[in-house]
Amino acid sequence: QSALTQEVSVSGTVGQKVTLSCTGNTNNIGSYAVGWYQQVSHGSPKTVMFGNALPSGIPDRFSVSMSGTTSSLTVSGLQPEDEADYYCSTWDYSLSAVVFGGGTKLTVL
Amino acid sequence: QVQLQESGPGLVKASETLSLTCTVSGGSIRSYYWSWIRKSAGKGLEWMGRIYTSGNTNYNPSLKSRVTMSVDTSKNQIFLNVRSVTAADTAVYYCARGPTGVIEYWGQGILVTVSS
Repeated sequence: QSALTQEVSVSGTVGQKVTLSCTGNTNNIGSYAVGWYQQVSHGSPKTVMFGNALPSGIPDRFSVSMSGTTSSLTVSGLQPEDEADYYCSTWDYSLSAVVFGGGTKLTVL
Repeated sequence: QVQLQESGPGLVKASETLSLTCTVSGGSIRSYYWSWIRKSAGKGLEWMGRIYTSGNTNYNPSLKSRVTMSVDTSKNQIFLNVRSVTAADTAVYYCARGPTGVIEYWGQGILVTVSS
């Protein structure tokens, strides 16, 4: 069982806006920056959000927001190439460890 | 641009030690946190631990008894050892760089299979 909770699957159509969530607690998401990663089949993960920053080369269709102990990744104007598994991570103070969410499979219909 | 490249044997026998090297190019490894993360088939990403270039380490509590990480700043390399491996350690292993809890750069990964 992961320390961070993510939806198992989310789907949307091309052009639609979808939001993926990552829920933790005050020991992790509530206190530290969150990263979001995209992993397409058989590929290495790619960082799509580094805290509140959009890494170079990542389209500005990706954005992030925070509410309490939940981080949310929004993909606007969904594209077929956005279909992938998405993971979140942060530091957990009580575990002294990096914790990951279980991942969300984003399907573009 | 920082690039990370994992290397090591792709096949390890059960009960033996898995040893991997991460070679960093395009920048110094000094003053950064370096993590090892793995992904098993059908499972999500699992953080194994991290090392700062001073040598300070943090390990995943579930792996702490079997994992050791080290660095060689003169060679810009980070090392991972996992002792007493089993089939459950079969995975793609990634080297990664990032500050507290967030990963900025990833290696391409290396598949390690544990044979019985």
